[in-house]
Amino acid sequence: GAGVSQSPRYKVAKRGQDVALRCDPISGHVSLFWYQQALGQGPEFLTYFQNEAQLDKSGLPSDRFFAERPEGSVSTLKIQRTQQEDSAVYLCASREGTANTGELFFGEGSRLTVL
Amino acid sequence: SQQGEEDPQALSIQEGENATMNCSYKTSINNLQWYRQNSGRGLVHLILIRSNEREKHSGRLRVTLDTSKKSSSLLITASRAADTASYFCATDWGSARQLTFGSGTQLTVLP
Repeated sequence: GAGVSQSPRYKVAKRGQDVALRCDPISGHVSLFWYQQALGQGPEFLTYFQNEAQLDKSGLPSDRFFAERPEGSVSTLKIQRTQQEDSAVYLCASREGTANTGELFFGEGSRLTVL
Repeated sequence: SQQGEEDPQALSIQEGENATMNCSYKTSINNLQWYRQNSGRGLVHLILIRSNEREKHSGRLRVTLDTSKKSSSLLITASRAADTASYFCATDWGSARQLTFGSGTQLTVLP
């Protein structure tokens, strides 16, 4: 695709429900990142994939958060037993290579509201 | 926790004026990038400056980097109403692959 695509754009969940957020990166991009952005704040790193390998998951806030990228393209961020503090925008970004000088291309985000 | 802090948190100017935003960070960096985010949208890359560079230009954007003070500034000249957005600095440091973002400056350009 022309850009990074995320779905759903908006998700409302009741506390305790599981949610799955999808990211379709730019075709051929090796690196994929998930970030969490609270209202009025900058994005906070969650996890990083290089192709299908999850090389860094140090930013995942708890074991309720799980991400995968099984075939090295589409990625899913899953949040189990959602809590109110999980309410945020979840941003996916991809980068063509692995070099840190490459720019990140962001999707428009999935806004999660936990009631 | 976030690596960078932007200053000011919010800035309101008239169209045609220049806008300056500052970013301070905590650890030594490899590169620093600036991103822009329109309300409700994803972030868009603006410019990258390497740790061995002191100044860089791109169109109406001018970025400076002072590694001794661990700070960077973004100058937007001749601002337009369409420049209204949040601006974030982002650093990469050590062996980490991810960028670490600051808290952002909300810029409003009044027509």
